[in-house]
Amino acid sequence: GDSVTQMEGPVTLSEEAFLTINCTYTATGYPSLFWYVQYPGEGLQLLLKATKADDKGSNKGFEATYRKETTSFHLEKGSVQVSDSAVYFCALTPWDQGAQKLVFGQGTRLTINP
Amino acid sequence: NAGVTQTPKFRVLKTGQSMTLLCAQDMNHEYMYWYRQDPGMGLRLIHYSVGEGTTAKGEVPDGYNVSRLKKQNFLLGLESAAPSQTSVYFCASSYSLNGGIQYFGAGTRLSVL
Repeated sequence: GDSVTQMEGPVTLSEEAFLTINCTYTATGYPSLFWYVQYPGEGLQLLLKATKADDKGSNKGFEATYRKETTSFHLEKGSVQVSDSAVYFCALTPWDQGAQKLVFGQGTRLTINP
Repeated sequence: NAGVTQTPKFRVLKTGQSMTLLCAQDMNHEYMYWYRQDPGMGLRLIHYSVGEGTTAKGEVPDGYNVSRLKKQNFLLGLESAAPSQTSVYFCASSYSLNGGIQYFGAGTRLSVL
């Protein structure tokens, strides 16, 4: 079945550092890809998405590019802030699922120190 | 501007007890979902609903039941709680053709002793 694998966490960085969180997927067809973020004590919220190969999703300074050749959707940010501390989930929607079900990776906890 | 509201926020049960988790959304979404979140495993889909009066099994449905009697509400029931059901439970909702964008509640932390 479809699956998502994220880099192991937790990740700890200093403020203004460059961030990469790796995400790879296994899926048939053409899934849509997402990054969701979970801030402490809150539910998940959509950070960015990409629906086809070579699309770049971006939001709040974060970017991720849909790479079909490497089945990857790595999350990047050029200069992180303390407020970016959260758990980040990579996810996909199987392209043939009418109910729009999401398949999640295991999550990566990010801590940014001032 | 409530969005998706889950009650209760925390609950402790003894093995064998029953309980119901309530999810309410005010966005007129057709689809609703229940997930559980366990350390190192991401979110896994328990049950979902594509409209009022409909329910379907997700990836890990055993030990849970659901009902969607009203479009805005989605109930998750545990008839006989087990320690393996200790988890954080999230409800989500979406439009039917929203391309995978789901809106999540803040979660319910359940401990079964």
